Amino acid sequence: AQTVTQSQPEMSVQEAETVTLSCTYDTSESNYYLFWYKQPPSRQMILVIRQEAYKQQNATENRFSVNFQKAAKSFSLKISDSQLGDTAMYFCAFMKLSGGGSNYKLTFGKGTLLTVNP
Amino acid sequence: NAGVMQNPRHLVRRRGQEARLRCSPMKGHSHVYWYRQLPEEGLKFMVYLQKENIIDESGMPKERFSAEFPKEGPSILRIQQVVRGDSAAYFCASSPRGLVVHEQYFGPGTRLTVT
Repeated sequence: AQTVTQSQPEMSVQEAETVTLSCTYDTSESNYYLFWYKQPPSRQMILVIRQEAYKQQNATENRFSVNFQKAAKSFSLKISDSQLGDTAMYFCAFMKLSGGGSNYKLTFGKGTLLTVNP
Repeated sequence: NAGVMQNPRHLVRRRGQEARLRCSPMKGHSHVYWYRQLPEEGLKFMVYLQKENIIDESGMPKERFSAEFPKEGPSILRIQQVVRGDSAAYFCASSPRGLVVHEQYFGPGTRLTVT
């Protein structure tokens, strides 16, 4: 079974600064996806960024980028130029893709509460 | 294109009652997933359904919980004889058929409170 670990329960950052959220995972699979989801106070789950394991290039979406280290099984999220609206719980998630329709479920970490201070 | 719809958004049930949670996937999506989020926890997978078919229910408690996704209408997560430990937020996600099933779009969740 896969596990996802987020070792930082809470973090804070000043507006306009950069922050990095950590995530490690454990799997024996070679073909999988990794995700970061954001859950603001509204509790809506919003996809922030996605990384395919077979791609060496780190994914980037505007101010959000990842540092994907496959050998180390590490998948950190960097938020640049932090904004007040980035305040939310951030969840790292894993999905394996090997064979069969049952492999599309997401396994989530426990989350990191990020607070952006003015 | 409307997003994933869930209703009700909030549901209060007394112990022993039944809870029915509904999920309407995005238009064109034929895959539905249910997740449960306990307080201070991440989301935990419960069940994966396609139309009229349960694909993976490995995360569902063996008793009192059931799910369906009929040919017509929303997907239903049913909890019989609710207990306080069932209090949680229940999220539904949907994805399209084909090769992009990894893209799951989440609904706003139903917060179930058992008194």
